[in-house]
Amino acid sequence: NAGVTQTPKFRILKIGQSMTLQCTQDMNHNYMYWYRQDPGMGLKLIYYSVGAGITDKGEVPNGYNVSRSTTEDFPLRLELAAPSQTSVYFCASSYWTGIHQPQHFGDGTRLSIL
Amino acid sequence: AQKVTQAQTEISVVEKEDVTLDCVYETRDTTYYLFWYKQPPSGELVFLIRRNSFDEQNEISGRYSWNFQKSTSSFNFTITASQVVDSAVYFCALSGGRNTGGFTIFGAGTRLFVKA
Repeated sequence: NAGVTQTPKFRILKIGQSMTLQCTQDMNHNYMYWYRQDPGMGLKLIYYSVGAGITDKGEVPNGYNVSRSTTEDFPLRLELAAPSQTSVYFCASSYWTGIHQPQHFGDGTRLSIL
Repeated sequence: AQKVTQAQTEISVVEKEDVTLDCVYETRDTTYYLFWYKQPPSGELVFLIRRNSFDEQNEISGRYSWNFQKSTSSFNFTITASQVVDSAVYFCALSGGRNTGGFTIFGAGTRLFVKA
């Protein structure tokens, strides 16, 4: 049981390049999330999804896009990379059983924009 | 709007000391959930506990205990007889009811150093 898998683990981009951070989960969770964690800071919610075909903005959505075509996958797209997007990105998933179950996190993607 | 405040940026203790990490939250939701997560130096995020807004019962799990008080909007975390392995960043988080889609706010975290 892999849980939440993020790829790649590390990436260096040049300013203006684009890329997609992949996230997949095998727990059949309906809720999925993308966070960024800047050095020495807490996690900021970028986008989240309550199910396939449904996404919504979090606290810091600018510069990012997401899609959720399947329950398992929730990719995060950076269209025009900027130095301010240098961060560690975490994907997470959870589910509801009448109450909000805790989120399971991937190992993170460390992204540097130079 | 939701908000989570962890006023303690860093705490340093000597092994075997007790330590309390503070968490104060703000929300207008009547149904909400509070969480504590641990981030060790290796970087992964580990779930520790969840509390529902309708359950103010405190909880103890080994050396860990949690004190949830709705009257003061606080959800504090105590480690008894701290150990070096407890050194990590600890995050408090808040999510709303189902109608909010699980929108979750994290505090800035408290970095705990436990010295041998």
